[in-house]
Amino acid sequence: DIQMTQSPSSLSASVGDRVTITCRASQGISNYLAWYQQKPGKVPKLLIYAASTLQSGVPSRFSGSGSGTDFTLTISSLQPEDVATYYCQKYNSAPHTFGGGTKVEIK
Amino acid sequence: EVQLVESGGGLVQPGRSLRLSCAASGFTFDDYAMHWVRQAPGKGLEWVSGISWNSGSIGYADSVKGRFTISRDNAKNSLYLQMNSLRAEDTALYYCAKGSTNGVWNFGMIDYWGQGTLVTVSS
Repeated sequence: DIQMTQSPSSLSASVGDRVTITCRASQGISNYLAWYQQKPGKVPKLLIYAASTLQSGVPSRFSGSGSGTDFTLTISSLQPEDVATYYCQKYNSAPHTFGGGTKVEIK
Repeated sequence: EVQLVESGGGLVQPGRSLRLSCAASGFTFDDYAMHWVRQAPGKGLEWVSGISWNSGSIGYADSVKGRFTISRDNAKNSLYLQMNSLRAEDTALYYCAKGSTNGVWNFGMIDYWGQGTLVTVSS
């Protein structure tokens, strides 16, 4: 099965900073990659699908890129409401594995 | 408005069985694949299983293969997860989730989530 590895596992950044999270697939998955945001105590929320398509209603400071095995989620200007754990997920075929998550905090 | 309401969680002894249900509304249920995803306390998300619109395609995580069975009843707009031979490591919040496709080629990303039902496996 394809493994999904996220890095870093946690990060602390200042408001207004540019934040980048990486997700690597152990084999190519084309662009079948989604990113989710889970705020503390809340249900996960879809941010980006097809590696780079922003889900409706998601702020434009979020963006995604990549194809094949290497993907990134970027927050262009970190806001206090972005404190959350972010997960990538492959969905080209079962199992639809999630990455281990990246916890984002404000410095 | 899409609504997914899970039920059936609870405290169960190791080795026993439990059946989770998910009642769906607000969308055409039999047009979409469905997922089960779990989250152990303080841990990350783990995809458990998926099923296509017509139950013709089904997938499982290796950790539950042979023990869990996903099914759906399109007439009742309901999704199920039969969990047998439960282990302590199955303790988690179980989410019912809607896929973005019909599931013929893949189950799609998850565009809606339920609130989850807690399963605790302990003696």
